[in-house]
Amino acid sequence: DQQVKQNSPSLSVQEGRISILNCDYTNSMFDYFLWYKKYPAEGPTFLISISSIKDKNEDGRFTVFLNKSAKHLSLHIVPSQPGDSAVYFCAPHYSGTYKYIFGTGTRLKVLA
Amino acid sequence: DTAVSQTPKYLVTQMGNDKSIKCEQNLGHDTMYWYKQDSKKFLKIMFSYNNKELIINETVPNRFSPKSPDKAHLNLHINSLELGDSAVYFCASSQYRDEQFFGPGTRLTVL
Repeated sequence: DQQVKQNSPSLSVQEGRISILNCDYTNSMFDYFLWYKKYPAEGPTFLISISSIKDKNEDGRFTVFLNKSAKHLSLHIVPSQPGDSAVYFCAPHYSGTYKYIFGTGTRLKVLA
Repeated sequence: DTAVSQTPKYLVTQMGNDKSIKCEQNLGHDTMYWYKQDSKKFLKIMFSYNNKELIINETVPNRFSPKSPDKAHLNLHINSLELGDSAVYFCASSQYRDEQFFGPGTRLTVL
């Protein structure tokens, strides 16, 4: 039951360019969306979030966009840096539960 | 000063054995979780405790039993280990339903 899909398992981007990671979901009850970054042999770390009442949230080089009608969100990283090379997971959630559903992940490689 | 710690980091054991993984958080959070990341790298929630009470119990074999002695600890005990239990297990904590802080993971290998 893949409620959350990240259709690009991997992505390579040149340093300094924009990285765009996508996430699609099926459950219209999701109202809070998080992105996590994961390095090898470490646990995921929280990166940025967005509430369903917004369509954009920005934090430094990271911006998350939410299109509720399309049930789609994206994470933009500008400019991309080699240290951004990691696996990125989107994790939607809906109020009233403690349960986050993690996407399938996208491995980003930023080339120097 | 580690926020969420897990022990051991690696665990190699034979089929049929019983093993435990320990988790501790020093963030003062009221909710703790166990996740399993399988060979396909999917991260799936197994259990969650809020103030020592079980609030999420996904479809997990009853060979897996979480135990929360206090708000800062959530241990995972696994009986009669099977080959398919090989995975990386992550502990996490959060304050209420906010973003989760993850431990470094325990890589379990069942031979």
